[in-house]
Amino acid sequence: DAEITQSPRHKITETGRQVTLACHQTWNHNNMFWYRQDLGHGLRLIHYSYGVQDTNKGEVSDGYSVSRSNTEDLPLTLESAASSQTSVYFCASTPGTKSRTTDTQYFGPGTRLTVL
Amino acid sequence: SQQGEEDPQALSIQEGENATMNCSYKTSINNLQWYRQNSGRGLVHLILIRSNEREKHSGRLRVTLDTSKKSSSLLITASRAADTASYFCATDAYGNTGKLIFGQGTTLQVKP
Repeated sequence: DAEITQSPRHKITETGRQVTLACHQTWNHNNMFWYRQDLGHGLRLIHYSYGVQDTNKGEVSDGYSVSRSNTEDLPLTLESAASSQTSVYFCASTPGTKSRTTDTQYFGPGTRLTVL
Repeated sequence: SQQGEEDPQALSIQEGENATMNCSYKTSINNLQWYRQNSGRGLVHLILIRSNEREKHSGRLRVTLDTSKKSSSLLITASRAADTASYFCATDAYGNTGKLIFGQGTTLQVKP
C-alpha cells in the first residue's frame, strides 16, 4: 500500500549538531510539507515543495533547510540544532498541482526530536 | 500568527454524548478542513467543507461553516471512547497555494 514514512521516529541530539529527518512517500505526490508541532502553537509550516527542485520557505523556516531531488523524498535538515528546535516534526503530502487547495494532506507518523 | 482559533481547548464527555468543537479564522477562505490526531500519531483528514457550503455530514460527523462569522463547528454525535483524540481545523488562508494553516486544536476525551 502507498504510504508516507518518517525516520527516525525518535532522535536525541546535542546543540550545534547537524540533523537530518527523512520523509518518504510512495504516492508519487507532487507536494510535500514539513511542520513542527509544539504545545500552544498547533502545527506550523517549516518548508514545502511543489516538486523536484521547487522548494519554499514556510512560516518558521529559520534554522531549517530542505532539498527535493526526487518526487518521493523531502529531507529536512537542521543545520545547527538548537534547544528551541526540540519538537515533534510531521511531514505531509498532497497530490495535484500547487494551486489546488481542496486536497487532503496525508501525514506521516512524526519524528520526536530532542535537542540537549 | 495562527489563522484558526479553536474552542474549547479541552473537552471531556461521557460515551454516547455529543461533542462540539468550534473554529474561528481571520481571513477569507476557499475551504476549511478538519483533521483528527490520535496520541503519538500523525493527523488524519476527516472532512472538507467549501466556502459555498453551510453544512456537511460524514457518518457521525457534522460540520457547519459560517463565512460571515468566519467560524466553523465540528459535531461528533453519539461519541465513543475511540473518538478520544485532538481535533484540528485547517484553512487555505494562503489563497491558491495548497498550503494550510492549522488551528491549535481541541483535545477531546470520551470516557467509557
